[in-house]
Amino acid sequence: RKEVEQDPGPFNVPEGATVAFNCTYSNSASQSFFWYRQDCRKEPKLLMSVYSSGNEDGRFTAQLNRASQYISLLIRDSKLSDSATYLCVVNVIQGAQKLVFGQGTRLTINP
Amino acid sequence: NAGVTQTPKFQVLKTGQSMTLQCAQDMNHNSMYWYRQDPGMGLRLIYYSASEGTTDKGEVPNGYNVSRLNKREFSLRLESAAPSQTSVYFCASSADYSNQPQHFGDGTRLSIL
Repeated sequence: RKEVEQDPGPFNVPEGATVAFNCTYSNSASQSFFWYRQDCRKEPKLLMSVYSSGNEDGRFTAQLNRASQYISLLIRDSKLSDSATYLCVVNVIQGAQKLVFGQGTRLTINP
Repeated sequence: NAGVTQTPKFQVLKTGQSMTLQCAQDMNHNSMYWYRQDPGMGLRLIYYSASEGTTDKGEVPNGYNVSRLNKREFSLRLESAAPSQTSVYFCASSADYSNQPQHFGDGTRLSIL
């Protein structure tokens, strides 16, 4: 099983829709979780950290489900500018700790 | 507000040539990283430096060397470039290696002919 897994998509949704995608992780001891977005041919940029109690930043909501070992990202009222690849990042603890990036989920918002 | 700066932004090399990609961060971060990303693929870690004075191999280190010159700078060297090394290279830094988010430079697009 991969350390961090994401559905690669693509997800195609109409503008204004709500879209959610998950990221599963294999290491039950993981403590830190992040969502990044990456636009085509650009660098990944930190979108938000994911906290145990869940957190919201405007139209974006991140949640953590420790029991099932996944994090989720919900985007409400999606905009054309939300089209990007979304990467989840998890710290993996196997003796030492390291951050592991998922392969990304591609999202396209259609007008 | 520079963050992570990579140079050059674009480079074309011939097979067998050597070059060094430069990376500098101004956030006083301890850890720095080099990734490559091929079209339609995820990030793959080449080398990292958890702290000044240390470097370690990542997932795909073959054909590369690195130098952590000081706390700010981390360079990636291709000794004898091969077409398989055509890729986009990203440098990143973070406050620590284990659980702090990484901040990326805007990449170097490298083509090997």
